[in-house]
Amino acid sequence: NAGVMQNPRHLVRRRGQEARLRCSPMKGHSHVYWYRQLPEEGLKFMVYLQKENIIDESGMPKERFSAEFPKEGPSILRIQQVVRGDSAAYFCASSSDTYEQYFGPGTRLTVT
Amino acid sequence: AQRVTQPEKLLSVFKGAPVELKCNYSYSGSPELFWYVQYSRQRLQLLLRHISRESIKGFTADLNKGETSFHLKKPFAQEEDSAMYYCALSGRSSPQGGSEKLVFGKGTKLTVNP
Repeated sequence: NAGVMQNPRHLVRRRGQEARLRCSPMKGHSHVYWYRQLPEEGLKFMVYLQKENIIDESGMPKERFSAEFPKEGPSILRIQQVVRGDSAAYFCASSSDTYEQYFGPGTRLTVT
Repeated sequence: AQRVTQPEKLLSVFKGAPVELKCNYSYSGSPELFWYVQYSRQRLQLLLRHISRESIKGFTADLNKGETSFHLKKPFAQEEDSAMYYCALSGRSSPQGGSEKLVFGKGTKLTVNP
């Protein structure tokens, strides 16, 4: 089992461009969580998805951010019209029907 | 409001010394508490959780509901324990079957000196 996969590992975007971050959960896991880590901060919850459903998006900014977890394929976190403040590490985690969330290596987004 | 506080940003000890990483929480209800560790250039991984009451790599943590604390302890630190440590809490499992969101502290960077 390769674990949670995220790509790309590093992403550089200019202000105003779109960023698409991908997360493939562990085999057999149907729950996906996205977290953001700003410099010097802990991880902050963004969104929790199950296949084709958003379960909890209480941590998502109201504008420019969206997430999906389609029936087939990875979960996608999309950030439209990126700004410098979006520069952060974005982590994905997955779980089965247990408490333990397994984390991916993260995507480091840099907005220039 | 759900909150996890790790008061120490940095903690430095010598090899063989006891180590305690502090964690306090605020939660209305009965949370699940976790410690995650991130070694250099590796992904975040679960170290232990209070419901399992087990010791991993010599670390233990006891949930103190009266003091709302979940401090991580190890009697004799090793150099390989140097890492970032995050305390986190979660509510009970969600109706959909997965775990609820994790609320993390800001982390403590532990350095164990030779």
